[in-house]
Amino acid sequence: EVQLVESGGGLVQPGGSLKLSCAASGFTFSGSAMHWVRQASGKGLEWVGRIRSKLNNYATAYAASVKGRFTISRDDSKSTTYLQMNSLKTEDTAVYYCTRFNVIPAAIGYDYWGQGTLVTVSS
Amino acid sequence: DIVMTQSPDSLAVSLGEKATINCKSSQSVLSSSDSKNYLAWYQQKQGQPPKLLIYWASTRESGVPDRFSGSGSGTDFTLTISSLQAEDVAVYYCQQYYSTPNTFGGGTKVEIK
Repeated sequence: EVQLVESGGGLVQPGGSLKLSCAASGFTFSGSAMHWVRQASGKGLEWVGRIRSKLNNYATAYAASVKGRFTISRDDSKSTTYLQMNSLKTEDTAVYYCTRFNVIPAAIGYDYWGQGTLVTVSS
Repeated sequence: DIVMTQSPDSLAVSLGEKATINCKSSQSVLSSSDSKNYLAWYQQKQGQPPKLLIYWASTRESGVPDRFSGSGSGTDFTLTISSLQAEDVAVYYCQQYYSTPNTFGGGTKVEIK
């Protein structure tokens, strides 16, 4: 059974930092591109960023709204991806989902999703 | 960035009737290398993460009922639910993955009339 389990969310003050984790199981994590998507309460889905596999040099990309503040990394030995969030703003308040971007045999989109972890940025 | 525009924002359909959701991209998402449209549809029920329904604009993900169908190419796409069931109440999103940043439409809320 495929599982993506996010953790690390919580309440943080503006300007603070938080690191989210996403532990994967049930599929070949090391060969998968992993993305983060967020959703503010009552709002739509917003792509945050992604990290590709080792085969693709662990290349990262970020949304303009988080570039320079957020960093995505991964540890294939632990089948885990991370989202380090610095200089947090109130507008970063959202549920953060990690998701697998399936590219085999060709890119099809996000086929596995975690349940999400809530990040609240407030004083 | 490619902007995805969905319409309508919401719609109410009677059980057993057809629901149609439209999605327009600001640029073509049709790949010239493999002739695939890099367009997906997701269903999100209340309190749940999104679920992949359709990819390549018209290919149903495994396990998705055949009342869901996708069509379109280039910049204009449609998700059709041929006979709405109670369990289809949800918000539906289109998404392009042709280029980074992957972008989503604003969502369409489907309710029972």
